[in-house]
Amino acid sequence: LAKTTQPISMDSYEGQEVNITCSHNNIATNDYITWYQQFPSQGPRFIIQGYKTKVTNEVASLFIPADRKSSTLSLPRVSLSDTAVYYCLVGDTMLGANFGNEKLTFGTGTRLTIIP
Amino acid sequence: EAGVTQFPSHSVIEKGQTVTLRCDPISGHDNLYWYRRVMGKEIKFLLHFVKESKQDESGMPNNRFLAERTGGTYSTLKVQPAELEDSGVYFCASSQPDRAGELFFGEGSRLTVL
Repeated sequence: LAKTTQPISMDSYEGQEVNITCSHNNIATNDYITWYQQFPSQGPRFIIQGYKTKVTNEVASLFIPADRKSSTLSLPRVSLSDTAVYYCLVGDTMLGANFGNEKLTFGTGTRLTIIP
Repeated sequence: EAGVTQFPSHSVIEKGQTVTLRCDPISGHDNLYWYRRVMGKEIKFLLHFVKESKQDESGMPNNRFLAERTGGTYSTLKVQPAELEDSGVYFCASSQPDRAGELFFGEGSRLTVL
């Protein structure tokens, strides 16, 4: 399983765009990059998944360069409610797969604090 | 739609006792996973069910842990006998058959072993 490296913590002001970068130098050809968000006393929550280039949904965007050795989660115009831990994970289960094989490795995550 | 529910939310037991954690996945989700975070450590995979079958139990720490998913619906995770190092938060997650890459996690069951 590819290991991921993220900043331990980040601070940002409300209304700003936040970019969290994750390194995954040993990513395999069939690996996907998935980001989860976790609030205190809750389980992780899926945010977005991508394989290459750019993916956007109603919550965030995910940028993946051609070599796929890193990825950047972009949160537009953050609010106080975006304060959470964000995990970057690498695994070989595509979002639309019929069969799950997600032995996810969570790592330490990035603790994002939004400042009023 | 109800999410993944776990029971109990918090359990306090003494070393040597038995605890059973229950997980009710989202209806229709064939994949069910157990993860845990022990104190100060990262969230780690324990095992994976596809319906009632254990697909991967390589993360189970030892034979004091027993997971079941009778009938392919809810799952239980029994710890017997519990040790101090078993303290932590146990998460259950599920995913639907055609969207297996998105795991829905429950709020977790906090286990404290004294």
